Amino acid sequence: GAGVSQSPSNKVTEKGKDVELRCDPISGHTALYWYRQSLGQGLEFLIYFQGNSAPDKSGLPSDRFSAERTGGSVSTLTIQRTQQEDSAVYLCASSLSSDGRGAFFGQGTRLTVV
Amino acid sequence: GQQVMQIPQYQHVQEGEDFTTYCNSSTTLSNIQWYKQRPGGHPVFLIQLVKSGEVKKQKRLTFQFGEAKKNSSLHITATQTTDVGTYFCAGPKSGGSNYKLTFGKGTLLTVNP
Repeated sequence: GAGVSQSPSNKVTEKGKDVELRCDPISGHTALYWYRQSLGQGLEFLIYFQGNSAPDKSGLPSDRFSAERTGGSVSTLTIQRTQQEDSAVYLCASSLSSDGRGAFFGQGTRLTVV
Repeated sequence: GQQVMQIPQYQHVQEGEDFTTYCNSSTTLSNIQWYKQRPGGHPVFLIQLVKSGEVKKQKRLTFQFGEAKKNSSLHITATQTTDVGTYFCAGPKSGGSNYKLTFGKGTLLTVNP
């Protein structure tokens, strides 16, 4: 596609439920990032995929969080047993490592846990 | 691990005043990137600097990359209300095979008209 696509754009879920957030990166981009941004705050790194390398999961806040990237393209971030503190905007970004055009962000998924 | 720090966290200026945000990395960077996030929006790439001591300009914005490639600054001359937003710097660690971008926490700029 023309840009990074994330779905859903908004998700309201009950505490304790599982949620899946989807990211469709720009075609051909080898790097994919997930970030979390709480209201008025900076970007909190969650996970990084680069090509076929093992993902860098060092930012995942707990074992309730996991992510996959299938076929080097689409990625899914899963949050199990959601808690109210998981409420935030989840941003996905993709990039080519060396083309000088930086990372392209999707519009984000606003997750609200009630 | 690599850390990227930005100061100040917040800056409020009167329209027409200048603004500067500073970015410091705990490790040498292969390049530095700057992003702008408008309120309610997502971060948008502004520019990338690669060379030690490099300076680039985009209209009223001036970007600098330090000689040691560990710090950078963004300076806006004569701010306008359209400059409002959060400015992030980001960079990959130099010399690594992993190109992971580490972002600073950003500087939120507000402009009083």
